[in-house]
Amino acid sequence: EAQVTQNPRYLITVTGKKLTVTCSQNMNHEYMSWYRQDPGLGLRQIYYSMNVEVTDKGDVPEGYKVSRKEKRNFPLILESPSPNQTSLYFCASSTTPGGSEQYFGPGTRLTVT
Amino acid sequence: GQNIDQPTEMTATEGAIVQINCTYQTSGFNGLFWYQQHAGEAPTFLSYNVLDGLEEKGRFSSFLSRSKGYSYLLLKELQMKDSASYLCALRGTGGYNKLIFGAGTRLAVHP
Repeated sequence: EAQVTQNPRYLITVTGKKLTVTCSQNMNHEYMSWYRQDPGLGLRQIYYSMNVEVTDKGDVPEGYKVSRKEKRNFPLILESPSPNQTSLYFCASSTTPGGSEQYFGPGTRLTVT
Repeated sequence: GQNIDQPTEMTATEGAIVQINCTYQTSGFNGLFWYQQHAGEAPTFLSYNVLDGLEEKGRFSSFLSRSKGYSYLLLKELQMKDSASYLCALRGTGGYNKLIFGAGTRLAVHP
């Protein structure tokens, strides 16, 4: 089954404790993105990757890092999480830039206290 | 820059028709997407309009008018399972053609 998986699905952590959210896709897609979703603001892109070892900032990259060492994996790293990073995070992949159709992971609900 | 506006909430009756509007201001874009998102779940693709006009897909249709900066999603024969948020998104120009999402419209379908 074609899918994007994320782990963990839910995480409660404390300020400053480094964490990684994993993302993996099995569709051989070149393009992957991370979004955060907050009430009233919609989905905002954090980082994206056009291929292995090629990543770039999206609209809200501050406080986040990513890596793309393998085509299928695109982890999101929060080196020192803060409460304003409490959000719902989605990983997405697609065959072409910006779509034609993005496949989203199930989401990771992160709470930073 | 790009700005996308959608109504925050709408309600409709089971079996009825509802139109969800999306207006935008942008210097250029390659196409417009509609996604459906049930509460707590991932967005799923509904439609993609590149050219002006109506695209029909079963109970759902999407319309685009580039000259008017306007799109709508039309849902017919509403079902309770259609209660969800509907996200309008522009596919930008440039090397990556990234998506810019509106805040979404939360639709509640009642019996």
